[in-house]
Amino acid sequence: DTGVSQDPRHKITKRGQNVTFRCDPISEHNRLYWYRQTLGQGPEFLTYFQNEAQLEKSRLLSDRFSAERPKGSFSTLEIQRTEQGDSAMYLCASSLVPYHGYTFGSGTRLTVV
Amino acid sequence: QQPVQSPQAVILREGEDAVINCSSSKALYSVHWYRQKHGEAPVFLMILLKGGEQKGHDKISASFNEKKQQSSLYLTASQLSYSGTYFCGTLKSNYKLTFGKGTLLTVNP
Repeated sequence: DTGVSQDPRHKITKRGQNVTFRCDPISEHNRLYWYRQTLGQGPEFLTYFQNEAQLEKSRLLSDRFSAERPKGSFSTLEIQRTEQGDSAMYLCASSLVPYHGYTFGSGTRLTVV
Repeated sequence: QQPVQSPQAVILREGEDAVINCSSSKALYSVHWYRQKHGEAPVFLMILLKGGEQKGHDKISASFNEKKQQSSLYLTASQLSYSGTYFCGTLKSNYKLTFGKGTLLTVNP
């Protein structure tokens, strides 16, 4: 069990550019979640997968955000045409079933300049 | 639908006790508690399911009153390592965990 891995740890991008983040969950976990966290706030739900199926996507997300989990393994989160308001920590978590605790990765800190 | 946590912040001396509360306006399936230290990822502490159960983790315990849709986290004989931000997360029928804004706990020597 190597935990949840996220890559990159930090990303600085210019406004308007596209960025992609990767998450490798714990291999036995079939549920994978993406959250966004800004300073002084709790993690905010973005989307989640059960195996390769994306079951829910936050209504707060614009069409610029898309996530995939091919073959039910790793997941990617892409943000197109980044805006300064996208600057945040993007957290990935995985769990075995809904009633188990989530294991979070260290996150990807995105800064849009 | 975000759960409400109180207090927003608390400062303790080592060895003192604290209680953090979490309440929701909607029926809950379960409540999660996490601790996050500055610059790190949230770490799972415990989960409470329906049934009014209590759980313990070292000197940290929690209760869940499903009728009142409230949960409380109890930290006894606090240690310096308890410092951090505590988040409750509430799980409803859609299996989406929604976090509160957090309670910043500072334990001083």
